[in-house]
Amino acid sequence: AQTVTQSQPEMSVQEAETVTLSCTYDTSESDYYLFWYKQPPSRQMILVIRQEAYKQQNATENRFSVNFQKAAKSFSLKISDSQLGDAAMYFCAYKPGGSEKLVFGKGTKLTVNP
Amino acid sequence: EPEVTQTPSHQVTQMGQEVILRCVPISNHLYFYWYRQILGQKVEFLVSFYNNEISEKSEIFDDQFSVERPDGSNFTLKIRSTKLEDSAMYFCASSEGDSRETQYFGPGTRLLVL
Repeated sequence: AQTVTQSQPEMSVQEAETVTLSCTYDTSESDYYLFWYKQPPSRQMILVIRQEAYKQQNATENRFSVNFQKAAKSFSLKISDSQLGDAAMYFCAYKPGGSEKLVFGKGTKLTVNP
Repeated sequence: EPEVTQTPSHQVTQMGQEVILRCVPISNHLYFYWYRQILGQKVEFLVSFYNNEISEKSEIFDDQFSVERPDGSNFTLKIRSTKLEDSAMYFCASSEGDSRETQYFGPGTRLLVL
């Protein structure tokens, strides 16, 4: 079964500092996609970043970047220059190629301290 | 920027009653999804819908559930006879194309079954 594990239920970071959120996944597929979604207290889930498994280059979106280690099945999210607005629940998600289904981790609650 | 919208934001119902949750996907999107998140648990896939039929469903999506696109804009989830364990946040999502495309989520409907 495909599973996604986020081992950090909660993390905190000081404003302007850098934080890394961990995610590992289990799959036997070779074609898949990985995502980080952010869910602020307003509850709308927002896409932060996505990574195609066939791409070796790590995805980057402004202050957000990933460290994708395919052999280790690891997909961590790095947030640089953390801002108060980054405080949210962060979900790692996996989607096999050819399937519509997103498989989510349990989430990591990120607190940003001023 | 186009968004997925959902109504109502909150719904309280009695056990055994039927509920219909409504979603308006992003207008040029072709694939539609429902997920649910029981309090404190992972977000779980329920069903995907394309070309007026279910394209994929999970084991959670039993005969109590149905989905419909009654017109050109709405996408609904019906629960025929609600149970206490149906209490959850229900998220609608849509994507532009097939399984390679990113899913965009609505704000959710909080369903409470008493």
